[in-house]
Amino acid sequence: NAGVTQTPKFRILKIGQSMTLQCTQDMNHNYMYWYRQDPGMGLKLIYYSVGAGITDKGEVPNGYNVSRSTTEDFPLRLELAAPSQTSVYFCASSYSPRGNYGYTFGSGTRLTVV
Amino acid sequence: ELKVEQNPLFLSMQEGKNYTIYCNYSTTSDRLYWYRQDPGKSLESLFVLLSNGAVKQEGRLMASLDTKARLSTLHITAAVHDLSATYFCAAFSGTYKYIFGTGTRLKVLA
Repeated sequence: NAGVTQTPKFRILKIGQSMTLQCTQDMNHNYMYWYRQDPGMGLKLIYYSVGAGITDKGEVPNGYNVSRSTTEDFPLRLELAAPSQTSVYFCASSYSPRGNYGYTFGSGTRLTVV
Repeated sequence: ELKVEQNPLFLSMQEGKNYTIYCNYSTTSDRLYWYRQDPGKSLESLFVLLSNGAVKQEGRLMASLDTKARLSTLHITAAVHDLSATYFCAAFSGTYKYIFGTGTRLKVLA
């Protein structure tokens, strides 16, 4: 059982480039989330999804886009990368936001924008 | 808007000592999670607290929730080096998502 899989693990982008961070889960979870974690800081919610075809903004959505065409996949798109987007990005999923088990997190993608 | 604060942000403690990490949140929330993160790693779920007065214990860690005070605590008993990590609390915002605190970086010294 793979859980939540994120790719790539590391990436260096130049300013203005674009990329997609991939996130896949095999637990049939409806709820999926993207967080960013800046060095020495907590997690900030970028976007979340409550099911296929339904997404909504979190605390820091500017500069990002998401889509949810299937239950399994929740990619995060960065358009026109900026140094302020240098961070570690975590994808997470849960069966229910009011559940007993918390989120299952992916291993993270460390992104540097230069 | 729900805000979550933890203190202390950094904690250096001797092995064998006890200490408490505090998690305060700004608006009503009826459930709270605690997570652990090792350096360079992802987050691991420790506890979920689902009601006022809930208490959960696992080994040397004990978490509690007081929804009236909007406060959760993570108590460490007789700390050991293996507990060195960053601990996060996350409070349910009521709209499908949790808001995370800034984390407490714990270092247990031998």
